[in-house]
Amino acid sequence: QQPVQSPQAVILREGEDAVINCSSSKALYSVHWYRQKHGEAPVFLMILLKGGEQKGHDKISASFNEKKQQSSLYLTASQLSYSGTYFCGTASNFGNEKLTFGTGTRLTIIP
Amino acid sequence: EAQVTQNPRYLITVTGKKLTVTCSQNMNHEYMSWYRQDPGLGLRQIYYSMNVEVTDKGDVPEGYKVSRKEKRNFPLILESPSPNQTSLYFCASGFSYEQYFGPGTRLTVT
Repeated sequence: QQPVQSPQAVILREGEDAVINCSSSKALYSVHWYRQKHGEAPVFLMILLKGGEQKGHDKISASFNEKKQQSSLYLTASQLSYSGTYFCGTASNFGNEKLTFGTGTRLTIIP
Repeated sequence: EAQVTQNPRYLITVTGKKLTVTCSQNMNHEYMSWYRQDPGLGLRQIYYSMNVEVTDKGDVPEGYKVSRKEKRNFPLILESPSPNQTSLYFCASGFSYEQYFGPGTRLTVT
C-alpha cells in the first residue's frame, strides 16, 4: 500500500516555509525523499533510516518517526528552485530493495 | 558522464505488439529498477534487480518482464501491451539507498 502524502499541493511565496508529510500504514525501515521538476526525472534528496534521525540538506531537512511510521520534509525559506513534485518512498526491510512511493506533493513557489 | 540511458524516449504502439524498452547504466551499480508514473498515482515500482540474474517483483509487475544478463543493462519487456500500460516509464540504478533515474520513456498503447 502506498504511503499517504499531505498536502497534495501547496503554493507558497518565495521565502516562506513548507512542510510535507508522509505517512505509512506499515512498519518502516527507511524513508526516501525525491524531487521531480516538471518534465524531468526524479532526483534523490535524502534518506532517513530507522532510529528517528533528522537530516539536513541546505535548507531542506527531514525527520522520521518510526513509531508513528511518519516522515516530514521541511523546506525553509523556500526558493523558486524548490518548485516541483516531492515524493516520499518507503521501505520496510533492511536493504531497501522494494520501494513504495507516495502519490506526491506538488510544490509551487511564486515570486 | 555518469548516467542512466533509456531507449526509446517516446513510443507509440498498438495493442499486442511486443516491445522492449532498454535501460543501461555506466556507473557499475548492482541495483536497478523500473517504475511507471501515472497522474495521481505517483511512481510505482514494476521490477527491481539486486544483481545479475537476480530480479524480483515490485508493486505492479503484471504484464511486464525483465531480465538482467549483464550488470549494466536491465531491459523492460512488454510481451502483449495493452492500453492500460500507457504510461511514463523510468529506469533507475544506484544503491539501495540512493537511486539515479533515467530520462523516462513515454509509452502510448493504442
